Amino acid sequence: DAKTTQPPSMDCAEGRAANLPCNHSTISGNEYVYWYRQIHSQGPQYIIHGLKNNETNEMASLIITEDRKSSTLILPHATLRDTAVYYCIVRVPVRSYQLTFGKGTKLSVIP
Amino acid sequence: NAGVTQTPKFQVLKTGQSMTLQCAQDMNHEYMSWYRQDPGMGLRLIHYSVGAGITDQGEVPNGYNVSRSTTEDFPLRLLSAAPSQTSVYFCASTATGKNTEAFFGQGTRLTVV
Repeated sequence: DAKTTQPPSMDCAEGRAANLPCNHSTISGNEYVYWYRQIHSQGPQYIIHGLKNNETNEMASLIITEDRKSSTLILPHATLRDTAVYYCIVRVPVRSYQLTFGKGTKLSVIP
Repeated sequence: NAGVTQTPKFQVLKTGQSMTLQCAQDMNHEYMSWYRQDPGMGLRLIHYSVGAGITDQGEVPNGYNVSRSTTEDFPLRLLSAAPSQTSVYFCASTATGKNTEAFFGQGTRLTVV
């Protein structure tokens, strides 16, 4: 399984864009990049996933580099409710029941 | 639509006691998984199931049993609780096919004394 590397913590001012990086240099061709977040010990919440094209949904945007070795999750207008631990996970969809969580990035949104 | 429901939310056990953590989903998902989360750590996979009657071990299966007799339910059994099993337990369910996001329950906080 491809491993991921994320910074342990980041701060973001409320209303500004939060850009969370993830390195996955050993990603395989059929592996997707998934992002989840966990707010204050609640169950993790799915945010977005992608293979090689940039993706956007109502929560966030996912930018994957052309060589697929890294990606960035963008929260366009961070709010205090976005304070959470964000996990970047690489996985083939057929094994999406078997997620490998690292320690993630603790994002603190500051008023 | 309740999603993934875990019971109980909190539990205190004495060393050596047994108990079952319940997990139910109403989304007709084939895949279900159990994870544990220790303080300051990410989630670790205990057991998973790819359908009724089919289960397999994850990263940290020792001390836990599972069964999957129906699509909806995936209980986790602690056979003889140990203090090392003090943790927060999360159940997840995932659909097959293109939309493979996992839905998690709200967790069971277990303390073994």
